[in-house]
Amino acid sequence: EDKVVQSPLSLVVHEGDTVTLNCSYEVTNFRSLLWYKQEKKAPTFLFMLTSSGIEKKSGRLSSILDKKELFSILNITATQTGDSAVYLCAVGVTSGTYKYIFGTGTRLKVLA
Amino acid sequence: SQTIHQWPATLVQPVGSPLSLECTVEGTSNPNLYWYRQAAGRGLQLLFYSVGIGQISSEVPQNLSASRPQDRQFILSSKKLLLSDSGFYLCAYGTSGSRETQYFGPGTRLLVL
Repeated sequence: EDKVVQSPLSLVVHEGDTVTLNCSYEVTNFRSLLWYKQEKKAPTFLFMLTSSGIEKKSGRLSSILDKKELFSILNITATQTGDSAVYLCAVGVTSGTYKYIFGTGTRLKVLA
Repeated sequence: SQTIHQWPATLVQPVGSPLSLECTVEGTSNPNLYWYRQAAGRGLQLLFYSVGIGQISSEVPQNLSASRPQDRQFILSSKKLLLSDSGFYLCAYGTSGSRETQYFGPGTRLLVL
């Protein structure tokens, strides 16, 4: 059975800290890995990763994929209170069609 | 550019009542469409996905059904709601090709009482 596991489940940090969120997966027919940020509404897209070792970066956020060890990390540097959210990892798989398996998310709270 | 709409935004329904949630996509043709449910404090559970008109795949057995009467319209329905159907329902569309990813609609919060 396809599985996506995120850790930690929750995290509390202070503004200015750097955080690393983890996503490991066991799936057949891996195609891509996506990161989303979810506040009190629908998830918003952050990154899509398909190749190992190539870092994607957007401002203070960055992510990288390791297809050999089957995991990805999402880094947030110089955290701000606006980074407080649930961060979701999803793995795209092909099984007849193309669908996504989601982890349960990491809840990040950044204190002022 | 593509946009995705869902309505209603919130809904309170009694147990045993019917349900119809609608999702429409603009700015793209023949998208893959998805319905997810997110229970409070939990991850997203894929309910249905569709690769074309009239083509629906169900991921989990339940009292919900989905239909795709038009290329960019996806409907989630139930004949009789259960308490356990409460949650946040999200519709998403998938892009294809080298930049394939998935984008979500604003969601519908459903409370079954």
